[in-house]
Amino acid sequence: EDKVVQSPLSLVVHEGDTVTLNCSYEVTNFRSLLWYKQEKKAPTFLFMLTSSGIEKKSGRLSSILDKKELFSILNITATQTGDSAVYLCAVPSTYNTDKLIFGTGTRLQVFP
Amino acid sequence: EPEVTQTPSHQVTQMGQEVILRCVPISNHLYFYWYRQILGQKVEFLVSFYNNEISEKSEIFDDQFSVERPDGSNFTLKIRSTKLEDSAMYFCASRYRDRGRGETQYFGPGTRLLVL
Repeated sequence: EDKVVQSPLSLVVHEGDTVTLNCSYEVTNFRSLLWYKQEKKAPTFLFMLTSSGIEKKSGRLSSILDKKELFSILNITATQTGDSAVYLCAVPSTYNTDKLIFGTGTRLQVFP
Repeated sequence: EPEVTQTPSHQVTQMGQEVILRCVPISNHLYFYWYRQILGQKVEFLVSFYNNEISEKSEIFDDQFSVERPDGSNFTLKIRSTKLEDSAMYFCASRYRDRGRGETQYFGPGTRLLVL
């Protein structure tokens, strides 16, 4: 059965700290891994990763995939209060390219 | 930047009533999805839709649920006879027609459904 596991479940940091969020997955036919940021409502797309070892970067956020060890990390440097959100990791299902399998998410709270 | 939109943002209904949740996907997308998120739980897949038919549905998507694309822009989710356990946030999502661009699905802001 396809599975996505995220850790930690929650994280509380102060502004300026650097955080690392983890996502491990089990899918038979891996194609991609996606990171989303969920604030109050919609998951907002951050990154899609398909190749091992290639870092994707957007401002203070970056992400990398390890297909051998079946995990990805999302790094946020110099955190700001606006980074407070739930960060979701998802992979497309093995058996059908349509549905995304989501992890439980990591709730990040950044305090001033 | 184009966005997926959903209406209403909130819906309160009585158990047993029918509800229709509406979505306008991004205009050049051809793959459409509904997900739901019960408070405090994971985002769960409900159904996917392509070429005017359901391509996959989950166990949650029973006979009480249906989807429709009544015109060229709207994509709707109908729950015929709501139950208390249908209370959740319902997200619509859509994806590029070009598979070569990957699996990225873009989500709408959601409709929070409360069944009393």
